[in-house]
Amino acid sequence: EPEVTQTPSHQVTQMGQEVILRCVPISNHLYFYWYRQILGQKVEFLVSFYNNEISEKSEIFDDQFSVERPDGSNFTLKIRSTKLEDSAMYFCASSLSTGYNEKLFFGSGTQLSVL
Amino acid sequence: RKEVEQDPGPFNVPEGATVAFNCTYSNSASQSFFWYRQDCRKEPKLLMSVYSSGNEDGRFTAQLNRASQYISLLIRDSKLSDSATYLCVVNTGRRALTFGSGTRLQVQP
Repeated sequence: EPEVTQTPSHQVTQMGQEVILRCVPISNHLYFYWYRQILGQKVEFLVSFYNNEISEKSEIFDDQFSVERPDGSNFTLKIRSTKLEDSAMYFCASSLSTGYNEKLFFGSGTQLSVL
Repeated sequence: RKEVEQDPGPFNVPEGATVAFNCTYSNSASQSFFWYRQDCRKEPKLLMSVYSSGNEDGRFTAQLNRASQYISLLIRDSKLSDSATYLCVVNTGRRALTFGSGTRLQVQP
């Protein structure tokens, strides 16, 4: 089965530093997402992206966050100035379309630790 | 009220047991419903979609009651490999999935 690939699997950074989390969605997929999961809590939606622009974002996705599709394969999440509370597992996902029953494929996640 | 609410468990059951999980959702405009499975520190994986007519996939049966805004998952003949957290997930029409906090299942030998 095709996979969503995320790198790195673990990222440790100092508070206030910028981090970029990388994702390679499934090649023929058109819709891309970032979710996060703080340890012991539920999976939370951050942002969805289609046709080179954000289609939807949550209240978590403030000005410190940005997303980009710099080339035909990568999809990145940038956190400009990390805070302790940004420590979480970040999951990238992709889908072929946005039908209500469309299946999302999740990557294995990047564990971000902010010290 | 939480958008998607689940009993966190844990449910500790012996192998071969039947176990049922429930979930309620608050947004009556919700369009689609899913059960995902998440193993410890791993990504969520789609287990099955949930339809109003109810649907079955092997040992797993899902039911949806739109009037009560209630979703259920039944697992028959539990296996050790079923041990995981089961996430109730709702598409509220904003085209982003809303996840419940999950119900933890531990199947014991």
